Amino acid sequence: DGGITQSPKYLFRKEGQNVTLSCEQNLNHDAMYWYRQDPGQGLRLIYYSQIVNDFQKGDIAEGYSVSREKKESFPLTVTSAQKNPTAFYLCASSTYRGETQYFGPGTRLLVL
Amino acid sequence: AQSVTQLGSHVSVSEGALVLLRCNYSSSVPPYLFWYVQYPNQGLQLLLKYTTGATLVKGINGFEAEFKKSETSFHLTKPSAHMSDAAEYFCAVSDRLTGGGNKLTFGTGTQLKVEL
Repeated sequence: DGGITQSPKYLFRKEGQNVTLSCEQNLNHDAMYWYRQDPGQGLRLIYYSQIVNDFQKGDIAEGYSVSREKKESFPLTVTSAQKNPTAFYLCASSTYRGETQYFGPGTRLLVL
Repeated sequence: AQSVTQLGSHVSVSEGALVLLRCNYSSSVPPYLFWYVQYPNQGLQLLLKYTTGATLVKGINGFEAEFKKSETSFHLTKPSAHMSDAAEYFCAVSDRLTGGGNKLTFGTGTQLKVEL
């Protein structure tokens, strides 16, 4: 089955801790994206990557970091600099020329 | 900059009634437009999209949307609501990125409630 997987489903972060959210796709898509979802605010773009070893900041990149060492994988690290990390995080991917993004099931991050 | 406005954060309909979810967009170029559906604690699923061509677009689960350039609208409709349609719906406009891929700008979502 082709698709996007995100893990874990739930993640708890302690004050001052960095945590990493996993996103893997087997759709052979070139572009990958990370979004943050808060109630009543829709989805906001954190980072995106169009090709391996390259990525760009989105609208709300502060306090987050990413890497793209493999085409299939685009992990997101929520750093201690992100003061309000509680949210639902969604990963998506698309082909290079495609206009449609396909989404993973999401990770809910909670602060202890 | 592109933007999307969804009128009504909550919409309630009776089972079997017409569903109408409103979306207006702002775009400096001919837009690509999308409707996604989200069930609780799940990712987004594509319902339908408009890129070019026919302005009435049919999607999954009996939904359709009409692109009206003069009104800058892309409203989502379904003739007869079903209990399983209860979910949150997001309208989005796409902006192609230099270097490949695209950037989606989302509306704030409309929660659809279906009552017996």
